[in-house]
Amino acid sequence: AQSVTQPDIHITVSEGASLELRCNYSYGATPYLFWYVQSPGQGLQLLLKYFSGDTLVQGIKGFEAEFKRSQSSFNLRKPSVHWSDAAEYFCAVGSNDYKLSFGAGTTVTVRA
Amino acid sequence: GAVVSQHPSRVICKSGTSVKIECRSLDFQATTMFWYRQFPKQSLMLMATSNEGSKATYEQGVEKDKFLINHASLTLSTLTVTSAHPEDSSFYICSARQGRAYNSPLHFGNGTRLTVT
Repeated sequence: AQSVTQPDIHITVSEGASLELRCNYSYGATPYLFWYVQSPGQGLQLLLKYFSGDTLVQGIKGFEAEFKRSQSSFNLRKPSVHWSDAAEYFCAVGSNDYKLSFGAGTTVTVRA
Repeated sequence: GAVVSQHPSRVICKSGTSVKIECRSLDFQATTMFWYRQFPKQSLMLMATSNEGSKATYEQGVEKDKFLINHASLTLSTLTVTSAHPEDSSFYICSARQGRAYNSPLHFGNGTRLTVT
């Protein structure tokens, strides 16, 4: 069975500081990995995804993530956070059937 | 860009009534659509997978007679919550797969907030 763990429920970061959100997954084969962002009461916006190839993935809004098979991790990073990055972030794992399992999410608060 | 429209965005209904939620792919044909449920401050849980012209596949623990899914065309899937009860109150989100390629895009709707009184 596939599963995702996001160890950090809530992270507070100062505007301009760097951000790293952790994601660990459990999956029997080569996973499809995703990071989504959700604003309150809204749907999900895809930040980036990994299917194969280069393990460092660039996404939108200045985000990147690195797939580390040995650690079963897919951590999300941003060098300099903007106030508009305050939101809920979800890591998800799936396969080519696109049935995704989501982590519990990490709430990011940005302080001025 | 590709958009998935979900309607209504918010609905309040009385206990015992049924509610239909629509999920439309606006500028692409969705080979597969997925329905998720999200409780407050929690993650998304996959409810079912629907392919055009065939019966939906429900995840374990999801009552198929309670949550009726119809995927009548390549651009429309509907979720009907039958005989709704307060415990069905939740945020429902659909997603649509654009194509069948291994790396085909997956687009999410903006969700429907269902409140059953």
